[in-house]
Amino acid sequence: AQSVTQLDSHVSVSEGTPVLLRCNYSSSYSPSLFWYVQHPNKGLQLLLKYTSAATLVKGINGFEAEFKKSETSFHLTKPSAHMSDAAEYFCVVSDRDAGNMLTFGGGTRLMVKP
Amino acid sequence: DTAVSQTPKYLVTQMGNDKSIKCEQNLGHDTMYWYKQDSKKFLKIMFSYNNKELIINETVPNRFSPKSPDKAHLNLHINSLELGDSAVYFCASSQSAGGPVTQYFGPGTRLLVL
Repeated sequence: AQSVTQLDSHVSVSEGTPVLLRCNYSSSYSPSLFWYVQHPNKGLQLLLKYTSAATLVKGINGFEAEFKKSETSFHLTKPSAHMSDAAEYFCVVSDRDAGNMLTFGGGTRLMVKP
Repeated sequence: DTAVSQTPKYLVTQMGNDKSIKCEQNLGHDTMYWYKQDSKKFLKIMFSYNNKELIINETVPNRFSPKSPDKAHLNLHINSLELGDSAVYFCASSQSAGGPVTQYFGPGTRLLVL
């Protein structure tokens, strides 16, 4: 069975400082991993995905994530936060054993202070 | 053009009523999904459907039924609505392949049962 744990339910940073959103996963096979972002009262937008190619994945809006198999982690980072980054972020795992179904983490709310 | 669209955006109704939420995708995808997001922002798969197979999450009550008139549409019908059905419902689509797939989400339908 696959599962995802987002270690922080809330993260608060100041504008211009780095962002780190932590994610650990459990999967019985080589997983695919995704980060989605949900702005208030909006749908889910794909930020980036890992599918067994390069372990450092670059996404939209300056975000990137690194797949570390030994640590079963897929943390999301950004060098400098913008006010517009304030949103809910979801780490998601998918593997073939689960029929490519997505399993979502509980979400991390990112708050950006001016 | 919106890739995955849902109607209505908001739905307020009384307990016991029957309602439907519509979903359409213009991406040419062959697989569609319904997810439920509860008040704590937790997202859970409800159904996965393509023209060959319907996969139902066993925790979904049989009051919920997906209906697909064609490949581009997957509507969600809910009978005898209950207070606990209040949530945001997301439709998504993907193109099935031998490997991992990316799902594209609609904007969500906010259902409130009174």
